[in-house]
Amino acid sequence: GQQVMQIPQYQHVQEGEDFTTYCNSSTTLSNIQWYKQRPGGHPVFLIQLVKSGEVKKQKRLTFQFGEAKKNSSLHITATQTTDVGTYFCAGHRSLGYALNFGKGTSLLVTP
Amino acid sequence: NAGVTQTPKFQVLKTGQSMTLQCAQDMNHEYMSWYRQDPGMGLRLIHYSVGAGITDQGEVPNGYNVSRSTTEDFPLRLLSAAPSQTSVYFCASSPQGEGYTFGSGTRLTVV
Repeated sequence: GQQVMQIPQYQHVQEGEDFTTYCNSSTTLSNIQWYKQRPGGHPVFLIQLVKSGEVKKQKRLTFQFGEAKKNSSLHITATQTTDVGTYFCAGHRSLGYALNFGKGTSLLVTP
Repeated sequence: NAGVTQTPKFQVLKTGQSMTLQCAQDMNHEYMSWYRQDPGMGLRLIHYSVGAGITDQGEVPNGYNVSRSTTEDFPLRLLSAAPSQTSVYFCASSPQGEGYTFGSGTRLTVV
């Protein structure tokens, strides 16, 4: 079945440093979604990418979808303590199919 | 709008007991899913539904049943609870082709 792999599992940065998490799928995806979960909270939807090679930005966050629609990345510029949490990618093989999540990258930011 | 409402928030069961985790959404979303979250395992899909009367299995369906008789409700039934089902359970819903809204979760302990 479809697997979504995410690396790294953990990342510890100093405030102000950049951070990147990578997502890879064993199959071509129709879309990729990114979520953030704060400690003790529930996942919150950040963004969806649909087109091959698509790049989207949300303030300090940059999301990319690979040309082959099998990989994606999330880059945070100049991290802040409010960025702490676990970032998940998730993909659909096609609409109407299951949304499968990666295991997430836990980001810790120290001041 | 209340969003996605999960009840109960906490539950302790004895091995062999059965129970139903409730999930309701008031956003008229077509898609609904149940995930379990365990440390280091990310979010694993249990069952999902793409509309009323339609359900399908996810990655870890054994020991769980679902039904979707209405658009709003998607209950998850544990048939005979086992300690391995100790987890945090999240229900989520989305319109077709968009990001999921998650409930606040149910923390289940099976002793």
